[in-house]
Amino acid sequence: DMKVTQMPRYLIKRMGENVLLECGQDMSHETMYWYRQDPGLGLQLIYISYDVDSNSEGDIPKGYRVSRKKREHFSLILDSAKTNQTSVYFCASSRDRGREQYFGPGTRLTVL
Amino acid sequence: GDSVTQKQGQVTLSEDDFLFINCTYSTTTYPTLLWYVQYLGQGPQLLLKVTTANNKGISRGFEATYDKGTTSFHLQKASVQESDSAVYFCALAPNYAQGLTFGLGTRVSVFP
Repeated sequence: DMKVTQMPRYLIKRMGENVLLECGQDMSHETMYWYRQDPGLGLQLIYISYDVDSNSEGDIPKGYRVSRKKREHFSLILDSAKTNQTSVYFCASSRDRGREQYFGPGTRLTVL
Repeated sequence: GDSVTQKQGQVTLSEDDFLFINCTYSTTTYPTLLWYVQYLGQGPQLLLKVTTANNKGISRGFEATYDKGTTSFHLQKASVQESDSAVYFCALAPNYAQGLTFGLGTRVSVFP
């Protein structure tokens, strides 16, 4: 069963704290993505990873960094979280650089 | 850059009604156009993709086509059910394989 998993599902942090969001996939997909979803703004691309240690900025990378040390895992890191980073974060993966992206269930992050 | 416009923010229907959602797009490439569905509390799921203008994608009773002349693509279903209540996103995948560009979504509510 093809699956993208995300941990944690819910997270509350204080402003200035560090945040680590984790994503895993069991499909051996080369390409993985991080998006955030906000009301009125839709889904916005933060970062793309084309494979291990091969990452590229998306449309809104400021305030975020990523890490991909194994093909099946992709992490999103917020160093010193800000209140405007409160959002729902989705990870996705696709075979090669294909158009069909498979999404995880999301992480709801609240920064107080 | 690439863009997608999805103007219908909300659609309210009764069971067995006809559903039609339209998006317009702008790109300099030969895109694949996709429709995703997002149920409450879940990540987006791929519903349909159309890789060639004027071809039809069909899945789960939904149909999608796109028209290169009018740069529009639409999703339709002849007879909706309460279980079709969800948010539907159109998305554009350019042929240079970056992340998807999403529309803002249409919330479809179907009442018995």
